Amino acid sequence: GDSVTQMEGPVTLSEEAFLTINCTYTATGYPSLFWYVQYPGEGLQLLLKATKADDKGSNKGFEATYRKETTSFHLEKGSVQVSDSAVYFCALGSSNTGKLIFGQGTTLQVKP
Amino acid sequence: DTGVSQNPRHKITKRGQNVTFRCDPISEHNRLYWYRQTLGQGPEFLTYFQNEAQLEKSRLLSDRFSAERPKGSFSTLEIQRTEQGDSAMYLCASSLGALGRTEAFFGQGTRLTVV
Repeated sequence: GDSVTQMEGPVTLSEEAFLTINCTYTATGYPSLFWYVQYPGEGLQLLLKATKADDKGSNKGFEATYRKETTSFHLEKGSVQVSDSAVYFCALGSSNTGKLIFGQGTTLQVKP
Repeated sequence: DTGVSQNPRHKITKRGQNVTFRCDPISEHNRLYWYRQTLGQGPEFLTYFQNEAQLEKSRLLSDRFSAERPKGSFSTLEIQRTEQGDSAMYLCASSLGALGRTEAFFGQGTRLTVV
């Protein structure tokens, strides 16, 4: 069945460091891919999305490119801030299955 | 519309009691989803509706769990004879159309603690 695998955390970075959180997926058909973020004490918020191969999603300085050949959707940011500290979830959504499948989440902690 | 709304935000119950949670989706959204999230894990799919029809139920959803979406508007999730293992955050989400083309919007969740 469909699945999503994320790199394990926690990831600890200093402010202004470069961030990469790896995400790979297994899916039938042509899913959409998403990154959701969960700040402490808050609900899940959509960070960015890509609906087809080679699409790049971007928001708040974060980017991810839908790579069909490597079945990946890695999240990147060039310069992280303390306020980016949160849990990041990679997810796929499929018209075939009708549901979102999430990875296990990666905790990011950014230190000043 | 202020987004997906879930009530209550927190619920503490004794083992063996029944609990019911409510979700009000974004008004024009035809799809509604229930997920469960435990500490340190990603959300796990429970069930989803298109309008009033329940289209899929996860094997995680035992016979003690039931969900409804009368008239295709709000939804309720009931857990009967609660067990300590039911303690989790229960998340509701809604979308306009299939997730292959659009995104889901999540509520704040209902945190259930079974003592």
